[in-house]
Amino acid sequence: AQKVTQAQTEISVVEKEDVTLDCVYETRDTTYYLFWYKQPPSGELVFLIRRNSFDEQNEISGRYSWNFQKSTSSFNFTITASQVVDSAVYFCALSEAGRDDKIIFGKGTRLHILP
Amino acid sequence: DGGITQSPKYLFRKEGQNVTLSCEQNLNHDAMYWYRQDPGQGLRLIYYSQIVNDFQKGDIAEGYSVSREKKESFPLTVTSAQKNPTAFYLCASSGGLLEAFFGQGTRLTVV
Repeated sequence: AQKVTQAQTEISVVEKEDVTLDCVYETRDTTYYLFWYKQPPSGELVFLIRRNSFDEQNEISGRYSWNFQKSTSSFNFTITASQVVDSAVYFCALSEAGRDDKIIFGKGTRLHILP
Repeated sequence: DGGITQSPKYLFRKEGQNVTLSCEQNLNHDAMYWYRQDPGQGLRLIYYSQIVNDFQKGDIAEGYSVSREKKESFPLTVTSAQKNPTAFYLCASSGGLLEAFFGQGTRLTVV
Protein backbone atom coordinates (compact mmCIF):
# COMPACT_ATOMS: atom_id res chain seq x y z
CA ALA A 1 0.00 0.00 0.00
CA GLN A 2 1.02 3.57 -0.58
CA LYS A 3 2.11 5.25 2.64
CA VAL A 4 4.33 8.05 3.89
CA THR A 5 5.55 8.23 7.47
CA GLN A 6 7.05 11.27 9.11
CA ALA A 7 7.80 10.06 12.59
CA GLN A 8 8.88 13.44 13.94
CA THR A 9 5.78 15.38 14.87
CA GLU A 10 7.58 18.46 16.10
CA ILE A 11 11.22 19.57 16.26
CA SER A 12 12.81 22.60 17.89
CA VAL A 13 16.36 23.72 17.24
CA VAL A 14 18.31 26.87 17.90
CA GLU A 15 19.06 29.09 14.95
CA LYS A 16 22.17 28.14 12.95
CA GLU A 17 21.95 24.49 13.97
CA ASP A 18 21.51 21.82 11.31
CA VAL A 19 18.31 19.80 11.37
CA THR A 20 17.17 16.69 9.51
CA LEU A 21 13.55 15.82 8.84
CA ASP A 22 12.88 12.14 8.28
CA CYS A 23 10.58 10.61 5.70
CA VAL A 24 9.97 6.89 5.17
CA TYR A 25 7.70 5.66 2.41
CA GLU A 26 6.00 2.43 1.32
CA THR A 27 5.10 1.56 -2.23
CA ARG A 28 4.58 -1.49 -4.42
CA ASP A 29 5.65 0.32 -7.56
CA THR A 30 9.14 0.49 -8.98
CA THR A 31 8.38 3.86 -10.53
CA TYR A 32 7.30 6.58 -8.18
CA TYR A 33 7.91 10.19 -7.23
CA LEU A 34 8.75 11.74 -3.90
CA PHE A 35 8.19 15.34 -2.91
CA TRP A 36 8.84 17.76 -0.08
CA TYR A 37 6.62 20.74 0.62
CA LYS A 38 6.85 23.59 3.11
CA GLN A 39 3.77 25.07 4.76
CA PRO A 40 4.45 28.46 6.36
CA PRO A 41 1.93 30.01 8.78
CA SER A 42 0.03 31.51 5.84
CA GLY A 43 -1.16 27.98 5.03
CA GLU A 44 -0.27 27.63 1.37
CA LEU A 45 1.99 24.68 0.52
CA VAL A 46 5.21 25.56 -1.22
CA PHE A 47 6.90 22.97 -3.41
CA LEU A 48 10.54 22.29 -2.53
CA ILE A 49 11.71 19.26 -4.49
CA ARG A 50 10.62 16.29 -6.60
CA ARG A 51 12.66 13.12 -6.99
CA ASN A 52 11.84 10.11 -9.17
CA SER A 53 12.61 6.57 -8.08
CA PHE A 54 15.36 6.10 -10.63
CA ASP A 55 17.41 9.03 -9.49
CA GLU A 56 19.15 8.36 -6.19
CA GLN A 57 21.54 11.24 -6.43
CA ASN A 58 21.42 13.48 -3.44
CA GLU A 59 20.51 17.05 -4.15
CA ILE A 60 21.61 20.30 -2.61
CA SER A 61 19.92 23.64 -3.04
CA GLY A 62 21.48 26.35 -0.96
CA ARG A 63 21.01 25.42 2.69
CA TYR A 64 18.65 22.57 1.77
CA SER A 65 19.73 19.06 0.92
CA TRP A 66 17.93 15.79 0.36
CA ASN A 67 19.13 12.24 0.88
CA PHE A 68 17.23 9.59 -1.08
CA GLN A 69 17.99 5.97 -0.19
CA LYS A 70 15.89 3.28 -1.86
CA SER A 71 17.47 0.57 0.27
CA THR A 72 15.82 2.03 3.36
CA SER A 73 12.85 3.65 1.57
CA SER A 74 13.81 7.01 2.97
CA PHE A 75 13.89 10.53 1.60
CA ASN A 76 15.28 12.75 4.33
CA PHE A 77 15.55 16.51 4.25
CA THR A 78 18.34 18.49 5.92
CA ILE A 79 18.45 22.20 6.57
CA THR A 80 21.94 23.49 7.23
CA ALA A 81 22.53 26.58 9.36
CA SER A 82 18.83 26.93 10.08
CA GLN A 83 17.15 30.32 10.18
CA VAL A 84 14.01 31.55 11.89
CA VAL A 85 12.33 31.84 8.48
CA ASP A 86 12.64 28.08 8.13
CA SER A 87 10.02 27.65 10.84
CA ALA A 88 7.09 25.88 9.19
CA VAL A 89 5.42 22.54 8.76
CA TYR A 90 7.19 20.31 6.26
CA PHE A 91 5.44 17.55 4.36
CA CYS A 92 6.84 14.59 2.51
CA ALA A 93 4.66 13.10 -0.25
CA LEU A 94 4.57 10.14 -2.62
CA SER A 95 2.98 9.54 -6.02
CA GLU A 96 3.01 6.17 -7.75
CA ALA A 97 3.39 6.29 -11.52
CA GLY A 98 0.46 4.71 -13.30
CA ARG A 99 -1.80 4.72 -10.28
CA ASP A 100 -4.17 7.57 -10.94
CA ASP A 101 -1.57 10.24 -10.17
CA LYS A 102 -2.75 10.21 -6.58
CA ILE A 103 -0.44 12.11 -4.25
CA ILE A 104 -0.31 10.90 -0.66
CA PHE A 105 1.15 13.05 2.10
CA GLY A 106 2.73 12.27 5.42
CA LYS A 107 1.40 13.92 8.56
CA GLY A 108 4.06 16.58 8.50
CA THR A 109 6.80 17.74 10.84
CA ARG A 110 6.41 21.09 12.57
CA LEU A 111 9.81 22.76 12.75
CA HIS A 112 10.54 25.55 15.22
CA ILE A 113 13.73 27.52 14.77
CA LEU A 114 14.46 29.41 17.97
CA PRO A 115 16.36 32.71 17.79
CA ASP B 1 -0.31 35.14 -13.34
CA GLY B 2 -0.72 31.39 -13.51
CA GLY B 3 -1.86 29.62 -10.43
CA ILE B 4 -4.65 28.18 -8.35
CA THR B 5 -7.33 30.28 -6.76
CA GLN B 6 -9.44 29.08 -3.89
CA SER B 7 -12.39 31.01 -2.56
CA PRO B 8 -13.51 32.04 -0.11
CA LYS B 9 -10.58 32.18 2.28
CA TYR B 10 -12.88 31.84 5.29
CA LEU B 11 -16.29 30.19 5.28
CA PHE B 12 -18.83 29.69 8.01
CA ARG B 13 -21.54 27.07 7.78
CA LYS B 14 -24.55 26.41 9.88
CA GLU B 15 -25.19 22.85 10.86
CA GLY B 16 -27.28 21.05 8.27
CA GLN B 17 -26.25 23.28 5.39
CA ASN B 18 -24.34 22.36 2.28
CA VAL B 19 -21.51 24.65 1.25
CA THR B 20 -19.38 24.75 -1.87
CA LEU B 21 -15.71 25.61 -1.96
CA SER B 22 -14.36 26.98 -5.20
CA CYS B 23 -11.10 25.98 -6.87
CA GLU B 24 -9.95 27.38 -10.21
CA GLN B 25 -6.64 26.88 -12.01
CA ASN B 26 -5.17 28.43 -15.15
CA LEU B 27 -2.13 26.17 -15.35
CA ASN B 28 -3.72 23.88 -17.95
CA HIS B 29 -3.23 20.96 -15.57
CA ASP B 30 -5.21 17.79 -16.10
CA ALA B 31 -5.19 16.57 -12.50
CA MET B 32 -6.83 18.34 -9.58
CA TYR B 33 -7.11 17.39 -5.91
CA TRP B 34 -8.89 18.28 -2.71
CA TYR B 35 -7.25 17.73 0.65
CA ARG B 36 -8.44 18.26 4.15
CA GLN B 37 -6.04 19.33 6.88
CA ASP B 38 -6.73 18.90 10.58
CA PRO B 39 -4.23 19.60 13.37
CA GLY B 40 -1.86 16.66 13.71
CA GLN B 41 -3.45 14.80 10.81
CA GLY B 42 -1.47 16.12 7.90
CA LEU B 43 -3.17 16.28 4.52
CA ARG B 44 -5.85 13.72 3.76
CA LEU B 45 -7.12 13.22 0.23
CA ILE B 46 -10.84 13.77 -0.27
CA TYR B 47 -11.30 13.54 -4.04
CA TYR B 48 -9.15 13.80 -7.10
CA SER B 49 -9.72 14.12 -10.81
CA GLN B 50 -7.40 13.25 -13.65
CA ILE B 51 -9.58 14.47 -16.46
CA VAL B 52 -12.75 16.42 -17.15
CA ASN B 53 -15.97 14.63 -16.21
CA ASP B 54 -14.12 12.01 -14.20
CA PHE B 55 -13.10 11.87 -10.55
CA GLN B 56 -12.20 9.34 -7.87
CA LYS B 57 -12.74 9.10 -4.16
CA GLY B 58 -9.79 9.61 -1.91
CA ASP B 59 -9.38 8.34 1.63
CA ILE B 60 -12.08 10.46 3.28
CA ALA B 61 -14.74 11.11 0.62
CA GLU B 62 -17.79 10.48 2.79
CA GLY B 63 -19.88 13.61 3.22
CA TYR B 64 -18.28 15.38 0.27
CA SER B 65 -19.07 15.69 -3.42
CA VAL B 66 -17.25 17.17 -6.40
CA SER B 67 -17.72 17.91 -10.07
CA ARG B 68 -15.29 18.43 -12.93
CA GLU B 69 -17.27 19.95 -15.77
CA LYS B 70 -14.39 22.13 -16.90
CA LYS B 71 -10.66 21.54 -16.88
CA GLU B 72 -10.09 24.73 -14.92
CA SER B 73 -12.58 24.13 -12.16
CA PHE B 74 -12.99 21.52 -9.42
CA PRO B 75 -15.51 22.67 -6.81
CA LEU B 76 -15.97 20.76 -3.57
CA THR B 77 -19.32 20.57 -1.80
CA VAL B 78 -19.35 19.81 1.89
CA THR B 79 -22.71 18.25 2.52
CA SER B 80 -24.74 18.02 5.70
CA ALA B 81 -23.70 14.36 5.86
CA GLN B 82 -20.18 15.42 6.81
CA LYS B 83 -20.42 15.37 10.59
CA ASN B 84 -17.21 17.18 11.39
CA PRO B 85 -16.54 19.61 8.56
CA THR B 86 -14.53 22.22 10.45
CA ALA B 87 -11.08 22.08 8.87
CA PHE B 88 -8.66 23.70 6.46
CA TYR B 89 -9.28 22.67 2.85
CA LEU B 90 -6.59 22.76 0.21
CA CYS B 91 -7.00 22.41 -3.52
CA ALA B 92 -4.15 21.44 -5.80
CA SER B 93 -3.44 20.71 -9.44
CA SER B 94 -0.64 18.92 -11.25
CA GLY B 95 0.44 18.20 -14.79
CA GLY B 96 1.13 14.49 -15.01
CA LEU B 97 3.24 13.29 -12.10
CA LEU B 98 4.92 16.62 -11.76
CA GLU B 99 4.72 18.53 -8.55
CA ALA B 100 1.32 19.67 -7.37
CA PHE B 101 0.62 23.37 -7.00
CA PHE B 102 -1.60 24.44 -4.16
CA GLY B 103 -4.10 27.17 -3.56
CA GLN B 104 -4.10 29.30 -0.43
CA GLY B 105 -6.77 27.21 1.23
CA THR B 106 -10.25 27.71 2.64
CA ARG B 107 -10.85 27.57 6.36
CA LEU B 108 -14.32 26.21 7.01
CA THR B 109 -15.97 26.60 10.39
CA VAL B 110 -19.31 25.22 11.50
CA VAL B 111 -21.25 27.64 13.66
